[in-house]
Amino acid sequence: AQSVSQHNHHVILSEAASLELGCNYSYGGTVNLFWYVQYPGQHLQLLLKYFSGDPLVKGIKGFEAEFIKSKFSFNLRKPSVQWSDTAEYFCAVNAKAGTALIFGKGTTLSVSS
Amino acid sequence: EAQVTQNPRYLITVTGKKLTVTCSQNMNHEYMSWYRQDPGLGLRQIYYSMNVEVTDKGDVPEGYKVSRKEKRNFPLILESPSPNQTSLYFCASSLSLGGRYNEQFFGPGTRLTVL
Repeated sequence: AQSVSQHNHHVILSEAASLELGCNYSYGGTVNLFWYVQYPGQHLQLLLKYFSGDPLVKGIKGFEAEFIKSKFSFNLRKPSVQWSDTAEYFCAVNAKAGTALIFGKGTTLSVSS
Repeated sequence: EAQVTQNPRYLITVTGKKLTVTCSQNMNHEYMSWYRQDPGLGLRQIYYSMNVEVTDKGDVPEGYKVSRKEKRNFPLILESPSPNQTSLYFCASSLSLGGRYNEQFFGPGTRLTVL
């Protein structure tokens, strides 16, 4: 069965620090990969997704993620975080064969100003 | 405005009292899904629907029912709620599943408390 692992449960950073959130998945076939963000009290919103092509994907608000197939990873990065990036971040994967979207357990990011 | 709506947004009920949480999308999406979100567990899928009259169990279907009689609506039914169903529930929809246009759009969530 597919699974998604997010390495960090809670990350605390100061403004302007760089961010990298880890995500690994377990599925040997072709996958679609997503990062969603959930701001406090709000619903999930798509940050970025990888479907095919360039493994470096750019999303909204200055976020990017790199798909490394050999490592089954899809890590999220941002060069300089802002206080407004405080949120919970979810990595999600689904196989292109048309199975359900599987979410990681989430990483809470707290950014202090 | 393209959106997924859920009602109610907040609900406090008692054990055993049947309830329905509605979900509606206006994007003509084929795929719809229900998730519950619990601290430390992330989002877990309850049920999903590939199209009208086609539904299937997700990871945690026990205690829930769904129906998909119309493309736009996908209600979640708790026939006899129990306290362990206290959670934050999200409905989501996407144009398809597994294709390029499979980004899921989420509703605002329903916070359910079962006493």
